[in-house]
Amino acid sequence: DAKTTQPNSMESNEEEPVHLPCNHSTISGTDYIHWYRQLPSQGPEYVIHGLTSNVNNRMASLAIAEDRKSSTLILHRATLRDAAVYYCILRAVSDNTGKLIFGQGTTLQVKP
Amino acid sequence: DGGITQSPKYLFRKEGQNVTLSCEQNLNHDAMYWYRQDPGQGLRLIYYSQIVNDFQKGDIAEGYSVSREKKESFPLTVTSAQKNPTAFYLCASRFTAKNIQYFGAGTRLSVL
Repeated sequence: DAKTTQPNSMESNEEEPVHLPCNHSTISGTDYIHWYRQLPSQGPEYVIHGLTSNVNNRMASLAIAEDRKSSTLILHRATLRDAAVYYCILRAVSDNTGKLIFGQGTTLQVKP
Repeated sequence: DGGITQSPKYLFRKEGQNVTLSCEQNLNHDAMYWYRQDPGQGLRLIYYSQIVNDFQKGDIAEGYSVSREKKESFPLTVTSAQKNPTAFYLCASRFTAKNIQYFGAGTRLSVL
């Protein structure tokens, strides 16, 4: 399985944008990039996913590098509720089991 | 409301005892998953089921058992063979069309 590398932790100020990076230099052409986040003492929740093009939804934006070896999750205006562990996960399109392989993720701290 | 319900929220196990964690979903999803999370770590896959009456081992299945007799239910039994069961257990189901997993709120298991 292709692996991802994320910083252990990041800090942000409330109401400022946050850019969470993810490196995946061994990504294959058919791997989707998924992002989930886990608030304290809760189950993870889906944030966004993409293949090649940048993606936007009501929660966040996903910017994918042209060579697909890295991606960035963008929270446009961080709130205190966005403090969570953010996981960047690769999923092969050929894998119909739906299994997700979680790394340690990035712990985002949001300061008021 | 549609979602995934895990019970109980907290569970205590005595030495040599088997305990069963409940997971119920009303999202009409075919696939369901069990993960284990240790403090400060990412999630690890225990078992998964893509269809009723069928399930597969994940990465850390030893000491656990599951059943999938109904589409809505995927209970996990932590057997006495699991020597280090203290962890946060998370159940998920998958929306196949977009390959998104939805998680329950988790069960925290401790050993007395």
